[in-house]
Amino acid sequence: AQSVTQLGSHVSVSEGALVLLRCNYSSSVPPYLFWYVQYPNQGLQLLLKYTSAATLVKGINGFEAEFKKSETSFHLTKPSAHMSDAAEYFCAVRRAGNTPLVFGKGTRLSVIA
Amino acid sequence: GAGVSQSPSNKVTEKGKDVELRCDPISGHTALYWYRQRLGQGLEFLIYFQGNSAPDKSGLPSDRFSAERTGESVSTLTIQRTQQEDSAVYLCASETQGGGYYNEQFFGPGTRLTVL
Repeated sequence: AQSVTQLGSHVSVSEGALVLLRCNYSSSVPPYLFWYVQYPNQGLQLLLKYTSAATLVKGINGFEAEFKKSETSFHLTKPSAHMSDAAEYFCAVRRAGNTPLVFGKGTRLSVIA
Repeated sequence: GAGVSQSPSNKVTEKGKDVELRCDPISGHTALYWYRQRLGQGLEFLIYFQGNSAPDKSGLPSDRFSAERTGESVSTLTIQRTQQEDSAVYLCASETQGGGYYNEQFFGPGTRLTVL
């Protein structure tokens, strides 16, 4: 079965600092990986998705993620944190189109002024 | 166009009561998913509808949970004889059909259920 593991339930960074949120996947087939963000009291919004066209994926709001098969990782990064980035971030994987997503437990990002 | 909508946004109920949660997907989206988000945990898949196919109920935690969908429109998730452990945010998502592995699921704002 496919699964993802997010290391760190809570990450705190200073405004302007690098954001690194970790996600490792377990999959016997090419994984279809996604990062979603959930702002307080809102639904989930897609940040980016891995499509195999490139290992470095750029998403919205300056976020990007790098797919590393050798490390089975798909970590999310942003060079410079902004206060508005404070939210919960979820890594997810699916086995095929039109199938349920399997989510990690989420990482809450706090940004300190 | 409009996104996925859910109602009510908040529901407080007493243990043992039945509740109904509603989801209006994006028009034209044939796939509809229900997920549950309990405090401090990730999202758990509950049930999935795809067009006229039989729903995938493999994620429902007990027979107190059921869901219906009429055609490709509204879905209702029903929880009978609610228990305190049912307290969670229930999220609905919809998706177009045939878009492949990279299709995006569009999420509603959720219904926060509190069972007293």
